Amino acid sequence: DQQVKQNSPSLSVQEGRISILNCDYTNSMFDYFLWYKKYPAEGPTFLISISSIKDKNEDGRFTVFLNKSAKHLSLHIVPSQPGDSAVYFCAASGADSWGKLQFGAGTQVVVTP
Amino acid sequence: GAVVSQHPSWVICKSGTSVKIECRSLDFQATTMFWYRQFPKQSLMLMATSNEGSKATYEQGVEKDKFLINHASLTLSTLTVTSAHPEDSSFYICSARPSGFTDTQYFGPGTRLTVL
Repeated sequence: DQQVKQNSPSLSVQEGRISILNCDYTNSMFDYFLWYKKYPAEGPTFLISISSIKDKNEDGRFTVFLNKSAKHLSLHIVPSQPGDSAVYFCAASGADSWGKLQFGAGTQVVVTP
Repeated sequence: GAVVSQHPSWVICKSGTSVKIECRSLDFQATTMFWYRQFPKQSLMLMATSNEGSKATYEQGVEKDKFLINHASLTLSTLTVTSAHPEDSSFYICSARPSGFTDTQYFGPGTRLTVL
């Protein structure tokens, strides 16, 4: 069963505006969440993470928000740039994961001029 | 920091041959490395967890005799696809988790395998 879900397969945003990517999870044991960015034919690049003791983590243009009660997290990218066009994967791990990450299906972001 | 390399980046081989893919953590030690496979337009599929000095742990449905994993040192894991067939053609990606208390994985650039 899919424990991490990214329900939007694609997102189109104008350059300079905010990109908001959403992710939902079902496993209440998850306590660490990550976002990765991936270009075609390349490995994923780590962007930002958040532990369950926080509800927000910010790094430059990237901010991740965590709502534990809703089992929902989001990634905000502002301002969006053309180089941000890629597939974004949400991932999660927890005490019962043995270090493994559960990945969502990914969201393709296209930033238009 | 946290750079992971993979070699080769692409390989074409004949059906029935074996192919070895190397995954190295360049600037950190990794007790644990992971091997993934990605099919076109799909998410990453975890194949196995590679632990330094011990046997790899394979995910359900992954043939351990076909996908041999060796984690000989804290910076190197290898995946050997034995007796490759066209259905093994895929994009193989490794990741490494720095030793210590973190679940963050850093990924290699991937290896494109084409079996003719």
